Amino acid sequence: QVQLVESGGAVVQPGRSLRLSCAASGFTFSSFAMHWVRQAPGKGLEWVAVIWDDGNKKFSADSVKGRFTISRDNSRDTLFLQMDSLRADDTGLYYCARGSDESGYFSHFDYWGQGTLVTVSS
Amino acid sequence: QSALTQPASVSGSPGQSITISCTGSSSDIGTYDYVSWYRQHPGKAPQLVIYDVRYRSSRISSRFSGSKSGNTASLTISGLQAEDEADYYCASYTGISTLYVFGTGTMVTVV
Repeated sequence: QVQLVESGGAVVQPGRSLRLSCAASGFTFSSFAMHWVRQAPGKGLEWVAVIWDDGNKKFSADSVKGRFTISRDNSRDTLFLQMDSLRADDTGLYYCARGSDESGYFSHFDYWGQGTLVTVSS
Repeated sequence: QSALTQPASVSGSPGQSITISCTGSSSDIGTYDYVSWYRQHPGKAPQLVIYDVRYRSSRISSRFSGSKSGNTASLTISGLQAEDEADYYCASYTGISTLYVFGTGTMVTVV
């Protein structure tokens, strides 16, 4: 069965960096676009970024553009999110989610991990 | 890109039908038939319910249905059950740099 397991969440100071990982199993990872979605404590969902199946195309939300970088290693079935210049409003639970096919366009999020918690605080 | 607008809460009795609205703009829901809905039980990850406006996930009961008119999408739950109590979020493709936008979320209560 499809499994997505996030890791790397931590408590970090504002301005610092953090890298999240998402280990995938139960499907052909290299055939699907992958997304990051976050949820601030007690708040709603916010789409963060997407990467195409082959890693050659990426998009990110305006709120994280220039600070967060999505990447993937298809040889290790792993998705990453490099988070730089972290701010207090980046605090939240970060989910990885599988896209519906190889493209990041016109997609939905059909499987989700359990999330990893990032807390940005001094 | 602003969040899509959903009612904060909707309630119903067991066996009743309820409808959750999701209002966007001509730039997202009004242009694209790529609206999806997600259910999130407390402390759990979201789960896909409906995709492409009206197609139900294979893991979801046939009591759930989706539709769209203009800039507003809707999720209907018929034969309401206690297990349907959860937060529900809509999402839409936008076609601009922030490719996807979620709704503000709706808490469904079975009274």
